[in-house]
Amino acid sequence: GQNIDQPTEMTATEGAIVQINCTYQTSGFNGLFWYQQHAGEAPTFLSYNVLDGLEEKGRFSSFLSRSKGYSYLLLKELQMKDSASYLCAVRDSNYQLIWGAGTKLIIKP
Amino acid sequence: ETGVTQTPRHLVMGMTNKKSLKCEQHLGHNAMYWYKQSAKKPLELMFVYNFKEQTENNSVPSRFSPECPNSSHLFLHLHTLQPEDSALYLCASSQGVPGRGPPTDTQYFGPGTRLTVL
Repeated sequence: GQNIDQPTEMTATEGAIVQINCTYQTSGFNGLFWYQQHAGEAPTFLSYNVLDGLEEKGRFSSFLSRSKGYSYLLLKELQMKDSASYLCAVRDSNYQLIWGAGTKLIIKP
Repeated sequence: ETGVTQTPRHLVMGMTNKKSLKCEQHLGHNAMYWYKQSAKKPLELMFVYNFKEQTENNSVPSRFSPECPNSSHLFLHLHTLQPEDSALYLCASSQGVPGRGPPTDTQYFGPGTRLTVL
């Protein structure tokens, strides 16, 4: 079957750096997405990776290794507003999005 | 209004009630989606519409009935639901349907309807 694994919950300190990992086993690969979802709000698009390597976008970066079936989302200079759930999703060979259960990130002062 | 809107934001209904969820996208997109989001579980894709035509129905019980009158509006009609149907129902849209649009086709979500079935 197809599977996306990410930690259920992580805690980090304001101003620090946190890395949220995502591993996947899917039938084929056509890109990986990261979304941010604040409690009670819509998931919002953060990043997309289809080639190996690091994509940087301000304080957020996303890394992909297709050979390892692995991605991470790196958040720098953490702010309280970064407290949210982070969803990893992979597009398989049929272009279906396979979603992880999300990682709840708690930021402490 | 911008983006994707959903109404109502919260809904409480009994198992014998009939209600409808509404979604509207103001992005000029061609594809619309219904998802179910339960606590600590992955998003579950329920239905996909492309240019008003249903292209996906992921074994969803018949007590959920979608309707897409045009590319901008999507409804989810609910009847005789069960308590386990309580969840956040998310609507999303994208420029094209995966596989028919660019690989970087991104889905944009509405804020969801929090449904409680008593």
